[in-house]
Amino acid sequence: AQSVSQHNHHVILSEAASLELGCNYSYGGTVNLFWYVQYPGQHLQLLLKYFSGDPLVKGIKGFEAEFIKSKFSFNLRKPSVQWSDTAEYFCAVNPTNFGNEKLTFGTGTRLTIIP
Amino acid sequence: DTGVSQNPRHKITKRGQNVTFRCDPISEHNRLYWYRQTLGQGPEFLTYFQNEAQLEKSRLLSDRFSAERPKGSFSTLEIQRTEQGDSAMYLCASSLGQGALGYTFGSGTRLTVV
Repeated sequence: AQSVSQHNHHVILSEAASLELGCNYSYGGTVNLFWYVQYPGQHLQLLLKYFSGDPLVKGIKGFEAEFIKSKFSFNLRKPSVQWSDTAEYFCAVNPTNFGNEKLTFGTGTRLTIIP
Repeated sequence: DTGVSQNPRHKITKRGQNVTFRCDPISEHNRLYWYRQTLGQGPEFLTYFQNEAQLEKSRLLSDRFSAERPKGSFSTLEIQRTEQGDSAMYLCASSLGQGALGYTFGSGTRLTVV
């Protein structure tokens, strides 16, 4: 079965700092990869996704992530964070075998941005 | 609001009672998913429907849990004889077509068992 590890449980940054959140997965086959964000009091929203092609994917609000297949990683980056990026961030994986519709999530990283 | 709607938002119940949650997906979405999220964890898959057919159930879904989607529209998740370990946020998501690529989540129902 697949699993997802998010190494940072809580990250605190000042505004304008650069961000990188780690995500590693374990699964032997091909996968679709996702980052979801949950702002305080809101529902989970898709930030970006990778399923094929260019391993560097761009999402909403200036976020990007790079799929490195050899490292089983899909780290999330943003060059300059804003106070409004304060949220919980979840990495998720979905094996591409036919009929597999479920996502396996990591435990999440809480990001706090200090103004 | 055309998003995924879940009711109630919060539910407090005594141990041993039965509870039922409702999810109304985005109207044209044929797939509907239930996840559970406990404190400090990411969401965990429980079950999913394509139209009215329940296609997969997780081992997390003990025989005290049952989910239905009778007409392929809204879904209900019932927990019988609740236990304190059932306390969690129950999330619903829906999608059209290949599900994992296009989930839309609801805001969840927070269950507290006392």
